Amino acid sequence: GQSLEQPSEVTAVEGAIVQINCTYQTSGFYGLSWYQQHDGGAPTFLSYNALDGLEETGRFSSFLSRSDSYGYLLLQELQMKDSASYFCAVDRAAGNKLTFGGGTRVLVKP
Amino acid sequence: EAGVAQSPRYKIIEKRQSVAFWCNPISGHATLYWYQQILGQGPKLLIQFQNNGVVDDSQLPKDRFSAERLKGVDSTLKIQPAKLEDSAVYLCASSFNQGQVAGYTFGSGTRLTVV
Repeated sequence: GQSLEQPSEVTAVEGAIVQINCTYQTSGFYGLSWYQQHDGGAPTFLSYNALDGLEETGRFSSFLSRSDSYGYLLLQELQMKDSASYFCAVDRAAGNKLTFGGGTRVLVKP
Repeated sequence: EAGVAQSPRYKIIEKRQSVAFWCNPISGHATLYWYQQILGQGPKLLIQFQNNGVVDDSQLPKDRFSAERLKGVDSTLKIQPAKLEDSAVYLCASSFNQGQVAGYTFGSGTRLTVV
């Protein structure tokens, strides 16, 4: 079967750094994506890792280790607007199929 | 660039009734997906279209769910008859092609409540 594990909730203060881990077990792996979803909103694409290593996009970075079936999303210089749910998703067939984790709810406090 | 359009935004129906959702993808996007997101969970793929053909519907409960994309542009998802457990947000997403790795673009979804 397919499984993705990520923490259910993380709380941090403005300006802090948060790391959201994701471990996966899937049949087929092409890459790991991260999506952000505010309450009542659409999931929005943040990043994609196909190869091992760190990808940096502004305040957000994403890391992948294929040998460990593990990745993480790093949120730096947290802002109130970063309060949202964050989902890791495995791309199982080169852009065809995304299997999502259960999501991590990030709460940023003043 | 206009986003993925979905309607209605909200729908409340009684169990055993039927309901339909509509999606218009980003212009030029050949691949269209329908996802079901139950409250507190991640989205789950129901069906994937490439133009007007079905690529994957392995997770679509075909006894009650159906979807079509007749002209390869907009799409409808239907549930008939609805069950209580169908209460969820139904998200439509599109991408330029199957091999796109820069991420899907999701619509804001239709929130279905079955009572």
